[in-house]
Amino acid sequence: AQTVTQSQPEMSVQEAETVTLSCTYDTSESDYYLFWYKQPPSRQMILVIRQEAYKQQNATENRFSVNFQKAAKSFSLKISDSQLGDAAMYFCAYRRGYALNFGKGTSLLVTP
Amino acid sequence: EAGVAQSPRYKIIEKRQSVAFWCNPISGHATLYWYQQILGQGPKLLIQFQNNGVVDDSQLPKDRFSAERLKGVDSTLKIQPAKLEDSAVYLCASRRGETQYFGPGTRLLVL
Repeated sequence: AQTVTQSQPEMSVQEAETVTLSCTYDTSESDYYLFWYKQPPSRQMILVIRQEAYKQQNATENRFSVNFQKAAKSFSLKISDSQLGDAAMYFCAYRRGYALNFGKGTSLLVTP
Repeated sequence: EAGVAQSPRYKIIEKRQSVAFWCNPISGHATLYWYQQILGQGPKLLIQFQNNGVVDDSQLPKDRFSAERLKGVDSTLKIQPAKLEDSAVYLCASRRGETQYFGPGTRLLVL
Protein backbone atom coordinates (compact mmCIF):
# COMPACT_ATOMS: atom_id res chain seq x y z
CA ALA A 1 0.00 0.00 0.00
CA GLN A 2 1.18 3.48 -0.77
CA THR A 3 1.42 5.83 2.19
CA VAL A 4 1.99 9.57 2.17
CA THR A 5 3.55 11.32 5.17
CA GLN A 6 3.53 15.03 5.86
CA SER A 7 5.56 15.56 9.02
CA GLN A 8 4.78 19.26 9.51
CA PRO A 9 1.25 19.80 10.89
CA GLU A 10 1.76 23.58 10.81
CA MET A 11 4.12 26.02 9.16
CA SER A 12 4.38 29.78 9.27
CA VAL A 13 5.94 32.20 6.80
CA GLN A 14 6.12 35.97 6.45
CA GLU A 15 4.79 37.67 3.39
CA ALA A 16 7.31 37.76 0.54
CA GLU A 17 9.44 35.05 2.14
CA THR A 18 9.99 31.47 1.00
CA VAL A 19 8.68 28.35 2.71
CA THR A 20 9.15 24.64 2.03
CA LEU A 21 6.58 21.98 2.89
CA SER A 22 7.79 18.40 3.24
CA CYS A 23 6.28 15.18 1.97
CA THR A 24 7.55 11.63 1.85
CA TYR A 25 5.83 8.61 0.37
CA ASP A 26 6.22 4.88 0.21
CA THR A 27 5.73 2.88 -2.97
CA SER A 28 7.13 -0.10 -4.82
CA GLU A 29 6.07 1.27 -8.21
CA SER A 30 8.50 2.92 -10.58
CA ASP A 31 6.10 5.06 -12.56
CA TYR A 32 3.59 7.24 -10.75
CA TYR A 33 2.32 10.77 -10.25
CA LEU A 34 2.59 13.08 -7.25
CA PHE A 35 0.49 16.13 -6.54
CA TRP A 36 0.22 19.07 -4.19
CA TYR A 37 -3.29 20.35 -3.52
CA LYS A 38 -4.28 23.50 -1.65
CA GLN A 39 -7.43 23.63 0.48
CA PRO A 40 -8.38 27.11 1.71
CA PRO A 41 -11.03 27.61 4.42
CA SER A 42 -13.71 27.42 1.71
CA ARG A 43 -12.71 23.70 1.48
CA GLN A 44 -12.38 23.63 -2.31
CA MET A 45 -9.35 21.50 -3.18
CA ILE A 46 -7.25 23.23 -5.80
CA LEU A 47 -4.40 21.61 -7.71
CA VAL A 48 -1.13 23.45 -7.12
CA ILE A 49 1.39 21.34 -8.97
CA ARG A 50 1.92 17.89 -10.45
CA GLN A 51 5.05 15.78 -10.93
CA GLU A 52 5.48 12.71 -13.12
CA ALA A 53 7.95 10.29 -11.57
CA TYR A 54 9.59 9.47 -14.91
CA LYS A 55 10.55 13.11 -15.38
CA GLN A 56 13.83 14.12 -13.78
CA GLN A 57 13.08 17.81 -14.08
CA ASN A 58 11.30 19.33 -11.10
CA ALA A 59 7.90 20.81 -11.88
CA THR A 60 7.36 24.56 -11.56
CA GLU A 61 4.21 26.65 -11.64
CA ASN A 62 4.87 30.35 -11.18
CA ARG A 63 5.82 30.82 -7.47
CA PHE A 64 5.41 27.12 -6.72
CA SER A 65 8.09 24.53 -7.36
CA VAL A 66 8.90 21.05 -6.14
CA ASN A 67 12.04 19.24 -5.11
CA PHE A 68 11.45 15.68 -6.25
CA GLN A 69 13.96 13.14 -4.95
CA LYS A 70 12.83 9.80 -6.36
CA ALA A 71 15.42 7.63 -4.64
CA ALA A 72 14.63 9.20 -1.28
CA LYS A 73 10.88 9.15 -2.03
CA SER A 74 10.65 12.80 -1.12
CA PHE A 75 8.45 15.44 -2.73
CA SER A 76 8.66 18.87 -1.12
CA LEU A 77 6.83 22.03 -2.18
CA LYS A 78 8.55 25.40 -2.22
CA ILE A 79 6.46 28.56 -2.21
CA SER A 80 8.41 31.69 -3.15
CA ASP A 81 7.34 35.27 -2.48
CA SER A 82 4.57 34.08 -0.16
CA GLN A 83 1.28 35.95 -0.30
CA LEU A 84 -1.56 36.23 2.20
CA GLY A 85 -3.72 34.26 -0.22
CA ASP A 86 -1.39 31.28 0.11
CA ALA A 87 -2.69 30.61 3.62
CA ALA A 88 -4.42 27.22 3.49
CA MET A 89 -4.05 23.51 4.17
CA TYR A 90 -1.65 21.87 1.74
CA PHE A 91 -1.99 18.20 0.92
CA CYS A 92 0.53 15.98 -0.76
CA ALA A 93 -1.00 13.14 -2.77
CA TYR A 94 0.16 10.00 -4.55
CA ARG A 95 -1.83 8.63 -7.43
CA ARG A 96 -2.93 5.04 -6.76
CA GLY A 97 -4.52 3.66 -9.87
CA TYR A 98 -6.52 6.71 -10.86
CA ALA A 99 -7.47 7.66 -7.30
CA LEU A 100 -5.39 9.71 -4.89
CA ASN A 101 -3.81 8.81 -1.55
CA PHE A 102 -3.48 11.97 0.53
CA GLY A 103 -1.25 12.87 3.44
CA LYS A 104 -2.69 14.47 6.57
CA GLY A 105 -1.86 17.96 5.40
CA THR A 106 0.18 20.95 6.51
CA SER A 107 -1.53 24.13 7.66
CA LEU A 108 0.30 27.17 6.27
CA LEU A 109 -0.04 30.48 8.04
CA VAL A 110 1.13 33.62 6.22
CA THR A 111 1.85 36.64 8.41
CA PRO A 112 2.04 40.25 7.18
CA GLU B 1 -16.10 25.77 -17.93
CA ALA B 2 -18.33 25.11 -14.94
CA GLY B 3 -16.71 23.29 -12.04
CA VAL B 4 -17.85 20.29 -10.05
CA ALA B 5 -21.14 21.06 -8.32
CA GLN B 6 -22.24 19.55 -5.03
CA SER B 7 -25.30 19.93 -2.85
CA PRO B 8 -26.20 20.49 -0.15
CA ARG B 9 -23.24 22.42 1.27
CA TYR B 10 -24.17 21.63 4.85
CA LYS B 11 -26.31 18.99 6.50
CA ILE B 12 -27.08 18.27 10.14
CA ILE B 13 -28.85 15.03 11.04
CA GLU B 14 -29.30 12.80 14.04
CA LYS B 15 -27.70 9.39 14.26
CA ARG B 16 -29.63 6.58 12.60
CA GLN B 17 -31.18 9.01 10.11
CA SER B 18 -30.54 8.86 6.37
CA VAL B 19 -28.85 11.45 4.20
CA ALA B 20 -28.02 11.85 0.51
CA PHE B 21 -25.48 13.99 -1.30
CA TRP B 22 -25.54 14.98 -4.94
CA CYS B 23 -22.67 15.66 -7.34
CA ASN B 24 -22.58 16.95 -10.90
CA PRO B 25 -19.12 16.57 -12.46
CA ILE B 26 -17.50 18.74 -15.08
CA SER B 27 -19.10 18.12 -18.45
CA GLY B 28 -17.41 15.34 -20.37
CA HIS B 29 -15.49 13.90 -17.44
CA ALA B 30 -16.04 10.15 -17.44
CA THR B 31 -14.40 9.45 -14.08
CA LEU B 32 -16.05 10.52 -10.83
CA TYR B 33 -14.85 10.07 -7.25
CA TRP B 34 -16.34 10.42 -3.79
CA TYR B 35 -13.92 11.12 -0.93
CA GLN B 36 -14.54 11.40 2.81
CA GLN B 37 -12.49 13.97 4.70
CA ILE B 38 -12.60 13.70 8.49
CA LEU B 39 -11.49 16.78 10.41
CA GLY B 40 -7.72 16.99 10.62
CA GLN B 41 -7.11 14.37 7.96
CA GLY B 42 -6.62 14.18 4.22
CA PRO B 43 -9.44 12.97 1.97
CA LYS B 44 -9.96 9.21 1.74
CA LEU B 45 -11.41 7.58 -1.35
CA LEU B 46 -14.83 6.00 -0.89
CA ILE B 47 -15.75 5.07 -4.45
CA GLN B 48 -14.62 5.63 -8.02
CA PHE B 49 -16.89 5.48 -11.10
CA GLN B 50 -15.94 5.21 -14.74
CA ASN B 51 -19.01 6.36 -16.66
CA ASN B 52 -21.80 4.56 -14.75
CA GLY B 53 -19.70 1.57 -13.66
CA VAL B 54 -17.90 1.14 -10.32
CA VAL B 55 -14.10 0.88 -10.64
CA ASP B 56 -13.16 0.82 -6.94
CA ASP B 57 -15.41 0.68 -3.88
CA SER B 58 -13.07 -1.25 -1.62
CA GLN B 59 -13.13 1.43 1.09
CA LEU B 60 -16.86 2.08 1.00
CA PRO B 61 -18.66 0.83 4.17
CA LYS B 62 -21.26 -1.03 2.19
CA ASP B 63 -23.44 -1.87 5.18
CA ARG B 64 -24.46 1.79 5.40
CA PHE B 65 -23.08 3.65 2.38
CA SER B 66 -24.29 3.37 -1.18
CA ALA B 67 -23.59 5.33 -4.34
CA GLU B 68 -24.86 5.39 -7.85
CA ARG B 69 -24.13 7.20 -11.06
CA LEU B 70 -27.05 6.76 -13.37
CA LYS B 71 -26.52 7.67 -17.04
CA GLY B 72 -22.84 8.27 -16.34
CA VAL B 73 -23.26 11.91 -15.31
CA ASP B 74 -24.67 12.92 -11.91
CA SER B 75 -23.95 10.85 -8.84
CA THR B 76 -25.61 10.38 -5.47
CA LEU B 77 -23.97 9.16 -2.27
CA LYS B 78 -26.27 7.90 0.48
CA ILE B 79 -25.71 7.02 4.12
CA GLN B 80 -28.33 4.91 5.88
CA PRO B 81 -28.30 4.80 8.87
CA ALA B 82 -25.78 7.49 9.81
CA LYS B 83 -23.37 7.10 12.73
CA LEU B 84 -21.59 9.77 14.74
CA GLU B 85 -18.28 8.86 13.08
CA ASP B 86 -19.73 9.74 9.65
CA SER B 87 -19.37 13.43 10.53
CA ALA B 88 -17.02 14.68 7.84
CA VAL B 89 -16.76 16.62 4.60
CA TYR B 90 -17.77 14.61 1.54
CA LEU B 91 -15.89 15.68 -1.55
CA CYS B 92 -16.77 14.84 -5.12
CA ALA B 93 -14.18 15.04 -7.88
CA SER B 94 -14.03 14.36 -11.59
CA ARG B 95 -10.96 13.68 -13.70
CA ARG B 96 -9.53 14.82 -17.00
CA GLY B 97 -6.17 13.36 -17.92
CA GLU B 98 -4.06 13.12 -14.80
CA THR B 99 -5.82 15.89 -12.89
CA GLN B 100 -8.75 15.61 -10.52
CA TYR B 101 -11.03 18.60 -10.07
CA PHE B 102 -12.86 18.86 -6.77
CA GLY B 103 -16.22 20.28 -5.82
CA PRO B 104 -16.76 22.50 -2.75
CA GLY B 105 -17.81 19.55 -0.60
CA THR B 106 -20.72 18.80 1.71
CA ARG B 107 -20.12 19.16 5.44
CA LEU B 108 -22.10 16.56 7.37
CA LEU B 109 -22.64 16.73 11.11
CA VAL B 110 -24.23 13.73 12.80
CA LEU B 111 -25.60 14.42 16.29
